[in-house]
Amino acid sequence: AQTVTQSQPEMSVQEAETVTLSCTYDTSENNYYLFWYKQPPSRQMILVIRQEAYKQQNATENRFSVNFQKAAKSFSLKISDSQLGDTAMYFCAFMKLGTGANNLFFGTGTRLTVIP
Amino acid sequence: KAGVTQTPRYLIKTRGQQVTLSCSPISGHRSVSWYQQTPGQGLQFLFEYFSETQRNKGNFPGRFSGRQFSNSRSEMNVSTLELGDSALYLCASRMTSGDYNEQFFGPGTRLTVL
Repeated sequence: AQTVTQSQPEMSVQEAETVTLSCTYDTSENNYYLFWYKQPPSRQMILVIRQEAYKQQNATENRFSVNFQKAAKSFSLKISDSQLGDTAMYFCAFMKLGTGANNLFFGTGTRLTVIP
Repeated sequence: KAGVTQTPRYLIKTRGQQVTLSCSPISGHRSVSWYQQTPGQGLQFLFEYFSETQRNKGNFPGRFSGRQFSNSRSEMNVSTLELGDSALYLCASRMTSGDYNEQFFGPGTRLTVL
C-alpha cells in the first residue's frame, strides 16, 4: 500500500519570500508519479507540479519547484516569490503507473498562508 | 473548453436517506474518478469509471456506488446515509485510464448529513 505523509499542517510565509513544504511517501513501486495539488478556499483542486519517478531532474513550473529524493522517498515543494494568491491547502499525492489501480493517494495537506 | 462540473454544489440530507451526485467531465474525457474529502480522513479514493465500466474501487462500503453513462457523465449514489458521510465529494476527469494523463477536478459537492 502507498502512504503519503505531510508533517506540516500549517505554514505561513511573508509575501515575496520563499517557503518549502515537505512530503514523504512510502511505496514498493518503482514506476510512479508524484504531484503537488493546490486547493484554494474556492475548493477547486488544481495541479501545481508533477514529477516522474524515473526522472532524476527536479521538475520546475515558474515559481514552483520540487526537490525529489527518490532514495529517501522525499518530495518537497518550494514556492519562490510567494504571492497572496498562493494562499491555499497544498496536497502532496502519489500515483503508481502500469496495470491495475492508478488512482491518486493524497497526504493530509498543508495549509499555507501568505502574509502581506 | 468547459471544466469538470458537479451538481448539486450543496446538499443537505438526513440519516437513512439516499443521495445521488452528478459529475460531467471535460469534453473528450472518458475516465471519471470520485474522491471523498473529510477533515478526519482527508482525501480518499472512491472509484473510477472508464467507458461505462468501473475500473478501480477504493475501500468504501457497498452503500457507495456509481455508474457512468455513454456520454461519460458519471453519478455516484450513497444509500442509507450516515453522519460520517458528510464530506466534500470531488470528481476528477481525464482523457483515458491507465497511463498518466492529467486529472482535472471539479468544484465538488458539499454533502451534509443531519
